[in-house]
Amino acid sequence: EAQVTQNPRYLITVTGKKLTVTCSQNMNHEYMSWYRQDPGLGLRQIYYSMNVEATDKGDVPEGYKVSRKEKRNFPLILESPSPNQTSLYFCATKSQGGAWGTEAFFGQGTRLTVV
Amino acid sequence: AQSVTQLDSQVPVFEEAPVELRCNYSSSVSVYLFWYVQYPNQGLQLLLKYLSGSTLVKGINGFEAEFNKSQTSFHLRKPSVHISDTAEYFCAVGPRRSQGNLIFGKGTKLSVKP
Repeated sequence: EAQVTQNPRYLITVTGKKLTVTCSQNMNHEYMSWYRQDPGLGLRQIYYSMNVEATDKGDVPEGYKVSRKEKRNFPLILESPSPNQTSLYFCATKSQGGAWGTEAFFGQGTRLTVV
Repeated sequence: AQSVTQLDSQVPVFEEAPVELRCNYSSSVSVYLFWYVQYPNQGLQLLLKYLSGSTLVKGINGFEAEFNKSQTSFHLRKPSVHISDTAEYFCAVGPRRSQGNLIFGKGTKLSVKP
């Protein structure tokens, strides 16, 4: 079964305490991406990766880091979280070759609260 | 570059009434078009997509959308809504040929009242 797994699903943390949200996929997809969803703003892309060791900034990359050391995993790192990073985060993957005609798969989301 | 505008942030409607959620897009390249649905406290689910061919696309749960190239629109419709259709709906575009990214609109909250 095709799966995109995010962990944790819910997280409450304090300002400045480093955290990592993991994303793992079992479809051998080249492309992976992180979005954040905020009320009234829709989904905005944070970072994306076309393949292993190839990452690029999206529309709202400030305060985030990513890495892509292996194809299946694409962790999102918040080195020093701040309250404005309180949001719902989604990981997405798709096969590279089919452009966006191929279906994108989304994780179930991680609700992060930074106090 | 692409952008997506969802013209209504909230749409209240009574049960069994028809509904239309509006989406306009702009793009310098040819794109695919999508509608996603997010039920309360859940992830994103693909409702329907337009890739090519007939401009009227049918999706899950009785929804359909019509692609209008001249008006650069992709409005979502349902002839009779149910309470269970209460959710947030997102329009999105993705480039056909390049390796660009999926761009989302800001979402429309559909609230179906009894």
